[in-house]
Amino acid sequence: EIVLTQSPATLSLSPGERATLSCGASQSVYSSYLAWYQQKPGLAPRLLIYDASSRATGIPDRFSGSGSGTDFTLTISRLEPEDFAVYYCQQYGSSLSTFGQGTRLEIK
Amino acid sequence: QLQLQESGPGLVKPSETLSLTCTVSGASISSSSYYWGWIRQPPGKGLEWIGSFYYSGSTYYNPSLKSRVTISVDTSKNQFSLKLTSVTAADTAVYYCARHYRRELPDYWGQGTLVTVSS
Repeated sequence: EIVLTQSPATLSLSPGERATLSCGASQSVYSSYLAWYQQKPGLAPRLLIYDASSRATGIPDRFSGSGSGTDFTLTISRLEPEDFAVYYCQQYGSSLSTFGQGTRLEIK
Repeated sequence: QLQLQESGPGLVKPSETLSLTCTVSGASISSSSYYWGWIRQPPGKGLEWIGSFYYSGSTYYNPSLKSRVTISVDTSKNQFSLKLTSVTAADTAVYYCARHYRRELPDYWGQGTLVTVSS
């Protein structure tokens, strides 16, 4: 099983700032099959990024993903008030898809 | 507009079977374009992929749950269902049904339904 470790656990920033979230894998993720989701309280997750760097339909271009192998990054270029939420990474390149434990992005 | 709605009992007794149904509107689960499946999230915790199916009839399950999980399909009602047997308190979670862009990549989720396992 590939274990995904997200860092930091909590990130405190202000609107307008740049956010950088990390996801580290215990083994190389095949074909960079890595996704990022945003989840707000009481709501279902929303797919932001798939295949490490492809934006899902309707996702603003301030969200970008990068990385390969075992190190992946989600960047939010300029934080909007609605971006404060929990973010999860997921790998789907092995026989068992796994999620990270999440990063909470909170308003400073 | 695509909509997915989970339904089923909110309370299940230990050792019994959890049964949920997902009703899809705005798309056909018989389409070759997508997979359809289930994910769960224990209260206050992270996400766990449960399984998915393809229109051809193929099903795919999380190996850690495979012995207890069955996903079935009713194309006439555009619904699919989840059965999880021999439940314990560890199966208490919000259960989401979702369209999958890839076999294990959910891209459009239902609102979720909380299932509590308790006597």
